[in-house]
Amino acid sequence: DAGVIQSPRHEVTEMGQEVTLRCKPISGHDYLFWYRQTMMRGLELLIYFNNNVPIDDSGMPEDRFSAKMPNASFSTLKIQPSEPRDSAVYFCASTPDGVDGYTFGSGTRLTVV
Amino acid sequence: GESVGLHLPTLSVQEGDNSIINCAYSNSASDYFIWYKQESGKGPQFIIDIRSNMDKRQGQRVTVLLNKTVKHLSLQIAATQPGDSAVYFCAENPPGGGNKLTFGTGTQLKVEL
Repeated sequence: DAGVIQSPRHEVTEMGQEVTLRCKPISGHDYLFWYRQTMMRGLELLIYFNNNVPIDDSGMPEDRFSAKMPNASFSTLKIQPSEPRDSAVYFCASTPDGVDGYTFGSGTRLTVV
Repeated sequence: GESVGLHLPTLSVQEGDNSIINCAYSNSASDYFIWYKQESGKGPQFIIDIRSNMDKRQGQRVTVLLNKTVKHLSLQIAATQPGDSAVYFCAENPPGGGNKLTFGTGTQLKVEL
């Protein structure tokens, strides 16, 4: 298994531009999570899905952030418009049926200038 | 960009010595805990977990201790190796949190040759 796959690995964009981050969970994992990591706040959960349905989006910072999971093998996190304070590493994780077996991707390092 | 960020606690040990990394968790009713290792440029990687009905669990070269009285977790690494250098996070699954994990701020482990 290739694990959780995220793309791109690095993204540099200008303030105001739209950014889309992508994630492919491990096949057969019913849960998908989006986390953000910064030095100031550590690892924060943004949103998670169960069987492609958003369950808890209370961590999404504001309306500029949106996430979708159109099918079991793909999810996107979109920021529109992006701001410099969105600069962080964004991680996707998946798990088969709960918190056991949480597997993280390698992350996308986003820099908004 | 970001303002001054947190300085992670750092533990420096000599190669071959044992390491003990500590973590205070927040919710006395949390029933599941995990230790993760994060190397530079990578996502968090599962090391070992423990449920609240246990106070000790051993893996290969690692032991996790749980003290529910003072809400404290520790990770012991035996015969620390250079490859153990990383940031270590504890995470808890609080009650009512669904499948969410709440992460600690992390400890940087540096192994000196």
